Formats: sequence, structure tokens, C-alpha cells
Amino acid sequence: EVRLVQSGAEVKKPGESLKISCKASGYIFAHYWINWVRQVPGKGLEWVGIVYPGDSDIRYSPSFEGRVTISADKSTNTAYLQWTSLKTSDTAMYYCARDDRLDFWGQGTLVTVSS
Amino acid sequence: EKVMTQSPVTLSVSPGEGATLSCRASESVYINLAWYQQKPGQAPRLLIYGASIRANGIPTRFSGSGSETEFTLSISSLQSEDFAVYYCQQYNKWPWTFGQGTTVEIK
Repeated sequence: EVRLVQSGAEVKKPGESLKISCKASGYIFAHYWINWVRQVPGKGLEWVGIVYPGDSDIRYSPSFEGRVTISADKSTNTAYLQWTSLKTSDTAMYYCARDDRLDFWGQGTLVTVSS
Repeated sequence: EKVMTQSPVTLSVSPGEGATLSCRASESVYINLAWYQQKPGQAPRLLIYGASIRANGIPTRFSGSGSETEFTLSISSLQSEDFAVYYCQQYNKWPWTFGQGTTVEIK
């Protein structure tokens, strides 16, 4: 059974750093892209970027490039999304999802950034 | 980037009736188009990929069609569990992009 399990909700202050995770199981992690998708409360879905764990090929949406860093660790079957300096506008639910057609999704990680 | 535009924004439908949702791409995405369903408090779920292929476990009342720039998601005989928000997404060229969503609500 394919599963993507994300790390728990986070509450941070502006300027703080954060790294959230997405642990995969039930398939060969290195063989499928992992996407990150943002959803601001009450709004639609926004594609953040994608990583291919097999060779760590990474692509970002222009809207997010420079603001976040995506990575993956084949040894632990885990993908990551990180910020070095959070802003209040980063407050959102973040989902990971497998493959270019986003066939399996994590449960989401709620990131709240507030002073 | 390719802009995806969904219509209508909201669709009011009575249970048992059918619904047709549209998605238009600003330029061709061939058939690299997926549809997702999202219910409140849940992660989205893949319904259709390749414009017309139902994902595993998706009921046959959901069907997708179209190619290039015009796509349709049809739901025949809406059930109570089908009232939700639906998104289209192109995966033809990075950055992947989503439509803004169509809310299917109970009439």
C-alpha cells in the first residue's frame, strides 16, 4: 500500500526556519517524483515544486523559487520542504504528492507563521 | 507558464442530476491533464489522469474528456459524497499548474 506520511503541524514566528517532511512507503521511493503543493486556508491549490529522489533532480515554480528548498533522502525514503526565513504569508497547508499525476497524497502539514 | 481556467466557479446541482465541469488551458497541454476532488478538511484525491483515464477505485460515474486546450469532467447522477471542490491540473510542462477550482454544491 502506497503511503505518504507528513510531519505534524508547526507554529513559527516570522524569520524562523523550518523543515517539514514527507515519508514514503509501499513503493520504490527513488523511482517516482514527489511534488509539494501549497493551499492557503480557503483558497486553491498551488504547485510549489518537485523532486526526483533517484537523482535529486529538482524543479521549482517561479512563484516559490528562492523562497523554499526541496530535497529528498533515498536512505530514509523522505522528501523535505524547507524555509530559512518564514513570512506570515507562508501560512498554509502543505501537501506532498507522488508522481506527475499526483496519484497519492500525504495528509498535509499545517504551517502557521505568526508573531 | 500555462494558465488553467475552470468554469463555472460554482455549480449548484440536485442529487441524482448530472454535472459538467470545464477546464481550459492557455496553450496546449495535449492530454497531460488530471482532475482532483477535494472535500473539506481532506487532501485532494486523484480522479482522472491522461484527460480521460479513471484512477484506481474511482466510480464510473466520473468521466473525463478533451485534449489540447479544452477539457471536461462529467459526473453522472451526483451522489451526496460528490459535493466537493474539483481542480484540474496540467502536467505537460513545468511548472505544473492548477485551475482555481469549481465548487459543486447541493441545489
